[in-house]
Amino acid sequence: DIQMTQSPASLSASLGETVSIECLASEGISNSLAWYQQKPGKSPQLLIYGASSLQDGVPSRFSGSGSGTQYSLKISGMQPEDEGVYYCQQGYKYLTFGSGTKLEIK
Amino acid sequence: EIQLQESGPGLVKPSQSLSLTCSVTGYTITSGYDWSWIRKFPGNKMEWMGYISYSGSTNYNPSLKSRISITRDTSKNQFFLQLNSVTTEDTATYYCASCDYYSGEYFDYWGQGVMVTVSS
Repeated sequence: DIQMTQSPASLSASLGETVSIECLASEGISNSLAWYQQKPGKSPQLLIYGASSLQDGVPSRFSGSGSGTQYSLKISGMQPEDEGVYYCQQGYKYLTFGSGTKLEIK
Repeated sequence: EIQLQESGPGLVKPSQSLSLTCSVTGYTITSGYDWSWIRKFPGNKMEWMGYISYSGSTNYNPSLKSRISITRDTSKNQFFLQLNSVTTEDTATYYCASCDYYSGEYFDYWGQGVMVTVSS
């Protein structure tokens, strides 16, 4: 299995602050990386696929980058509705998820 | 728009089989996508379980391969999960989702999830 190490496990951010979440794959995954947001009681929502492609309808303050084994999600200007748990997921070989990052407003 | 809806019992006894249905509207499951089952354990861990493709082929997580079966009924536009010999460690929220491909596989449409507890 490809292991996805996600960090940090939790963080709090002020309104308008720029936030970054990291994912490290145990082997190269050729940009086969997606990011999801999950709010309490809801199903996960796709934010980014192919490491950097923004899903339709997702605000442009969300962006993804990375290559090889290292990937990141950036939120440029934290908003109240961005609170939730964020997951990375590799789609290269037998799909696996990161452990999640809980993001809260400070 | 594609919509998915899970259904099935919320309580299963240990050693029995867990059976769930995913009903899809807004898209015909034989037209495209891989139709997946994913679960989220208490404590946030997410696990992809497997999928059935639009052509009917299946692909399973190796960790579940001996216990899992995903099938479909194209006349009802539904696909199904069966997980055998369940234990308390199979307690989780189960989601069905459509799996698309662009520079890797990812899940773009999800059901609302169904919580399944394994307990005697």
